[in-house]
Amino acid sequence: DAKTTQPNSMESNEEEPVHLPCNHSTISGTDYIHWYRQLPSQGPEYVIHGLTSNVNNRMASLAIAEDRKSSTLILHRATLRDAAVYYCSPNTGNQFYFGTGTSLTVIP
Amino acid sequence: DSGVTQTPKHLITATGQRVTLRCSPRSGDLSVYWYQQSLDQGLQFLIQYYNGEERAKGNILERFSAQQFPDLHSELNLSSLELGDSALYFCASSSSFGGEKLFFGSGTQLSVL
Repeated sequence: DAKTTQPNSMESNEEEPVHLPCNHSTISGTDYIHWYRQLPSQGPEYVIHGLTSNVNNRMASLAIAEDRKSSTLILHRATLRDAAVYYCSPNTGNQFYFGTGTSLTVIP
Repeated sequence: DSGVTQTPKHLITATGQRVTLRCSPRSGDLSVYWYQQSLDQGLQFLIQYYNGEERAKGNILERFSAQQFPDLHSELNLSSLELGDSALYFCASSSSFGGEKLFFGSGTQLSVL
């Protein structure tokens, strides 16, 4: 299984950019890198995913290192609604591995 | 609303008992995943079904079992319950069996007393 390492917690000021890092050094060449977030008292929700190239969608951007051993989720302007636990999740075959994630606090 | 429905939302039971958690995937999704979330373990993958067949197995105890029915809903059966089985159990669905994004339900909170 591809394991992940993420900071336990991070803080950001409201309306500032946030860079959430993830190390997944054991990822295989065909594993997609997914990011999910979990708001309090809710199930995880999909944020973004990619394989090799950087990806953008309406929620965030995903920057993937050239060697694919790490990735960074970028929230361009953090809002209070972005306070959540963020998980990077390598899709290892049929399994999505989730670690303990990064708890993001957004300061007004 | 993710389109994934889990019932019941809360379940309180005693040690040694057996319970069944139910999941209805999003319309059209063939794949169902089960996860357990406890405070100290994060999200742990249990098992995956695709179109009625088991496709992957994670850290699922022998006391736990699951199945996916012809109408694609899935059930997770937990037996001989222990205090340590108290957790949030999530079901997720996707359109295929690998690579596609997951849609999670709101979970079943199991409390074993």
